[in-house]
Amino acid sequence: DVKVTQSSRYLVKRTGEKVFLECVQDMDHENMFWYRQDPGLGLRLIYFSYDVKMKEKGDIPEGYSVSREKKERFSLILESASTNQTSMYLCASSSQVRGNTGELFFGEGSRLTVL
Amino acid sequence: AQSVAQPEDQVNVAEGNPLTVKCTYSVSGNPYLFWYVQYPNRGLQFLLKYITGDNLVKGSYGFEAEFNKSQTSFHLKKPSALVSDSALYFCAVRDFLITFGTGTRLQVTL
Repeated sequence: DVKVTQSSRYLVKRTGEKVFLECVQDMDHENMFWYRQDPGLGLRLIYFSYDVKMKEKGDIPEGYSVSREKKERFSLILESASTNQTSMYLCASSSQVRGNTGELFFGEGSRLTVL
Repeated sequence: AQSVAQPEDQVNVAEGNPLTVKCTYSVSGNPYLFWYVQYPNRGLQFLLKYITGDNLVKGSYGFEAEFNKSQTSFHLKKPSALVSDSALYFCAVRDFLITFGTGTRLQVTL
């Protein structure tokens, strides 16, 4: 069964802390994505990556950075967490294989609370 | 730029009745359209997609969606709702990247 695994389901952090959210996929997908989900706003793209060591800004990259050192792993980093970053964070992956329609496979989500 | 609109924040249906969750889209070129479902405190699960061909697309759990090019719509339907269908439903369109709607909460009651 294909899988996207987010290491932490629930986190509570304090303002100013550095936060790492880890995501691993076992489908050998080239593309990986980080979204945040907030009520009434749907899913908003933070960053995405098409290849190892490649990263592209999404719609709301401010306050976040990412790292992709290995194909299967895509990390989201909050350098200095703030209360407005309290949210559900969703990792997803997709294939670049020719003819693939690009549907996303999601992890279970990481609910972050910043106090 | 591509966009997706889900005009209803919530849809309420009695079990056994048909359900429709509405979605309209805007994209240049031919659209790739998707529906995803999210159960409480879970990630999104793929339900179905339209790429080309038949305008009526069948997906998981008895859901189907009707693509209407003239109305730029891709409404999700099910002939007979179940209480277990209660969840958050997202419509999405792909041009270069996938763009999601804001979601519609489906509440199915006995």
